[in-house]
Amino acid sequence: DGGITQSPKYLFRKEGQNVTLSCEQNLNHDAMYWYRQDPGQGLRLIYYSQIVNDFQKGDIAEGYSVSREKKESFPLTVTSAQKNPTAFYLCASWSGRLGNTIYFGEGSWLTVV
Amino acid sequence: AQKVTQAQTEISVVEKEDVTLDCVYETRDTTYYLFWYKQPPSGELVFLIRRNSFDEQNEISGRYSWNFQKSTSSFNFTITASQVVDSAVYFCALSGGGGGTSYGKLTFGQGTILTVHP
Repeated sequence: DGGITQSPKYLFRKEGQNVTLSCEQNLNHDAMYWYRQDPGQGLRLIYYSQIVNDFQKGDIAEGYSVSREKKESFPLTVTSAQKNPTAFYLCASWSGRLGNTIYFGEGSWLTVV
Repeated sequence: AQKVTQAQTEISVVEKEDVTLDCVYETRDTTYYLFWYKQPPSGELVFLIRRNSFDEQNEISGRYSWNFQKSTSSFNFTITASQVVDSAVYFCALSGGGGGTSYGKLTFGQGTILTVHP
């Protein structure tokens, strides 16, 4: 089935460690996005990418990094510089055609212990 | 800057009641898109509807209906005859209609937690 796969679903991180969240899509979409969700809040944009080897910062990029080496993959690294990384992270993708549906993955829960 | 406000933090209803979720938005774009997503307890966002700023025609899809009014910058969502399975968090979102990746850069409201009791 076509869709967006995020892994792992649950991840625990010790303070000071970097962790990488995976996002893979087989929808042949050009654009991919990372959002963060905190309890009781809406989603906020971390990073986005329109094409391979290109990405831009969103509203809350500090403490995060991304790469886009392949069209289908857009991993997110939560670095030790992120002060409050415990959150739910959602990856999204879009074909690039205006009006088409923006699809989301099932999300990854990151907890700092 | 874009902004989406969902004034209702939580709504609790009994099964078969009708329920309306409010959404008010702010944008300076003349072309924009509005969305509703449903987030069940499992966490994924499920797409429900998309409307562009030039299409004010209201829509009914089964038990769901949407009321888009540009004059009041509102995009409200109604569930008729609610069911327990409708229990979820519902998000209203706004995106620009410009080129590039602006369309996918969604501005979300804070979400409305809907609980439908049997």
